[in-house]
Amino acid sequence: KAGVTQTPRYLIKTRGQQVTLSCSPISGHRSVSWYQQTPGQGLQFLFEYFSETQRNKGNFPGRFSGRQFSNSRSEMNVSTLELGDSALYLCASNSASSTDTQYFGPGTRLTVL
Amino acid sequence: QKEVEQNSGPLSVPEGAIASLNCTYSDRVSQSFFWYRQYSGKSPELIMSIYSNGDKEDGRFTAQLNKASQYVSLLIRDSQPSDSATYLCAVNSPLGSNTGKLIFGQGTTLQVKP
Repeated sequence: KAGVTQTPRYLIKTRGQQVTLSCSPISGHRSVSWYQQTPGQGLQFLFEYFSETQRNKGNFPGRFSGRQFSNSRSEMNVSTLELGDSALYLCASNSASSTDTQYFGPGTRLTVL
Repeated sequence: QKEVEQNSGPLSVPEGAIASLNCTYSDRVSQSFFWYRQYSGKSPELIMSIYSNGDKEDGRFTAQLNKASQYVSLLIRDSQPSDSATYLCAVNSPLGSNTGKLIFGQGTTLQVKP
């Protein structure tokens, strides 16, 4: 079974730009969670989508948004980029069964200049 | 108080020794507990999940859960240099089961010296 895929793997943007990251979960998994990882704050939850609906949201500003498509693929968007948005963005796939085991993709490394 | 706490380390052990990694969590209603391993520059990789009090063994890894003490640990037996990584403890959101949100500790860096 193929794992979680994320594209692109690396991105360099400048302040004020916007960016869209993509995640394809494990086949059959309907839940996708997004996390931001930085050296100072560690892994922080952004939001989670299940069956095209945002089910849970972390404590991030509205510049961070996401969506999920009918094939369970998910995108997250960050508008008006700030230097502090430089991070590793991880998506995690979950079968959404009674257990909430999450499997991570390789991540997208975003650098904001 | 942080929701999930881990000693950042580094924890240094000689090859072949037992490495003991600890984690405490603040919310009593948490139901699912996970250990992830993260190599430098890579994404987290699931090692163990545990849901009930007691021990759960998988190869060289043993996870231990004590809900009364709000404590979860990971033992790595016969530690190898390839085990050198950051180990992340994660707990499900206290809002309920399977809300898609895990709360992570800051991670413990393990160094296994040959």
